[in-house]
Amino acid sequence: DAGVTQSPTHLIKTRGQQVTLRCSPISGHKSVSWYQQVLGQGPQFIFQYYEKEERGRGNFPDRFSARQFPNYSSELNVNALLLGDSALYLCASSLGLGLAGAETQYFGPGTRLLVL
Amino acid sequence: GNSVTQMEGPVTLSEEAFLTINCTYTATGYPSLFWYVQYPGEGLQLLLKATKADDKGSNKGFEATYRKETTSFHLEKGSVQVSDSAVYFCALHKGYNQGGKLIFGQGTELSVKP
Repeated sequence: DAGVTQSPTHLIKTRGQQVTLRCSPISGHKSVSWYQQVLGQGPQFIFQYYEKEERGRGNFPDRFSARQFPNYSSELNVNALLLGDSALYLCASSLGLGLAGAETQYFGPGTRLLVL
Repeated sequence: GNSVTQMEGPVTLSEEAFLTINCTYTATGYPSLFWYVQYPGEGLQLLLKATKADDKGSNKGFEATYRKETTSFHLEKGSVQVSDSAVYFCALHKGYNQGGKLIFGQGTELSVKP
């Protein structure tokens, strides 16, 4: 079975631009989460979606937004890019809510964003 | 608040040496605990997990035991290989009524020399 896929793999933008990152979860997984990993640090939680609804949000500004589609894929949007948004953006999928072990999250390869 | 603390890296070992990477956590209740591994230029791969106290997670020769009394989840391997060189992340998850997020430690870089 295919794992979590993300696109694009790399992206270069300039300050003030907007970017959209895409994620397809493992087949059968209904929950998608997004994380930001700055070089040399652990991933930081941005959003979690389940059944197209936002179920959790991390400490990120409103420039960050996301959505989940009926096929459970997801997009992360970042507006008005800053230099500090340069990072690896990771998508993770899990089965969903309430099931034993359902919280186990499986990560995609990430999208590396560079803001100049 | 909830947090995870890992031992500082980098950790440099010779092939076939014994590995321990310390991880302690702060959280109320009974979080699930995870170890993820990140190879250079890649995303995170789940290495092992434990969902309740005294559980032992194991995979590919790596082991970690969920110790509630010491709030720890130390990663061990009896004999490391060069191919184990990577960054290892300890993480906790408190359940979806807590926002559904994984909370990660800062990562520990492991370098194994032939």
